[in-house]
Amino acid sequence: AQTVTQSQPEMSVQEAETVTLSCTYDTSESDYYLFWYKQPPSRQMILVIRQEAYKQQNATENRFSVNFQKAAKSFSLKISDSQLGDAAMYFCAYRFNFGNEKLTFGTGTRLTIIP
Amino acid sequence: NAGVMQNPRHLVRRRGQEARLRCSPMKGHSHVYWYRQLPEEGLKFMVYLQKENIIDESGMPKERFSAEFPKEGPSILRIQQVVRGDSAAYFCASSRPLLGRSNEKLFFGSGTQLSVL
Repeated sequence: AQTVTQSQPEMSVQEAETVTLSCTYDTSESDYYLFWYKQPPSRQMILVIRQEAYKQQNATENRFSVNFQKAAKSFSLKISDSQLGDAAMYFCAYRFNFGNEKLTFGTGTRLTIIP
Repeated sequence: NAGVMQNPRHLVRRRGQEARLRCSPMKGHSHVYWYRQLPEEGLKFMVYLQKENIIDESGMPKERFSAEFPKEGPSILRIQQVVRGDSAAYFCASSRPLLGRSNEKLFFGSGTQLSVL
């Protein structure tokens, strides 16, 4: 079974600084997707960024980028120029590409932005 | 195009009552997923449905929980005889078919917070 581990329950960063959130996963598959979701206090799950495992290039979305290390099964999220609106819970998630499309989530990292 | 609509947003039930949670997927989406989020935890998969079919219910408790997605109308997650341990946020997500290396995305609703007294 696939598992996703987020070892940092809480992180904080000064506004305008850079922060990296860690995620590791375990799978025997080679073709899958990885995701980072943001959950603000409103509870809405917002897709931040996703990475296809067969692509070596790291995904980027504006201030958000990932460091995908397939051999190490590591998928960290870097947030540059942190803004107050980035404060939220961040969840790493995995999805196998073939068969059932359900997501497996980590336990989350609560990110606080210090003004 | 409205997003995934879940109602109610908050639901309070006493132990032993029934809870019915509704989810209307985005227009054009035929796949619905239900997830449960316990306090301070990530979302856990419960069930995956297509219209009139349950595809995977491996995450659903065997007793008291059921789900349906009829040909017409919203998907319903039903919890009978609720207990305090059922208190959680229940999220619905919808998509078009996510086949293989699909670029289709999963869209989440805002969840229903169930509180059992």
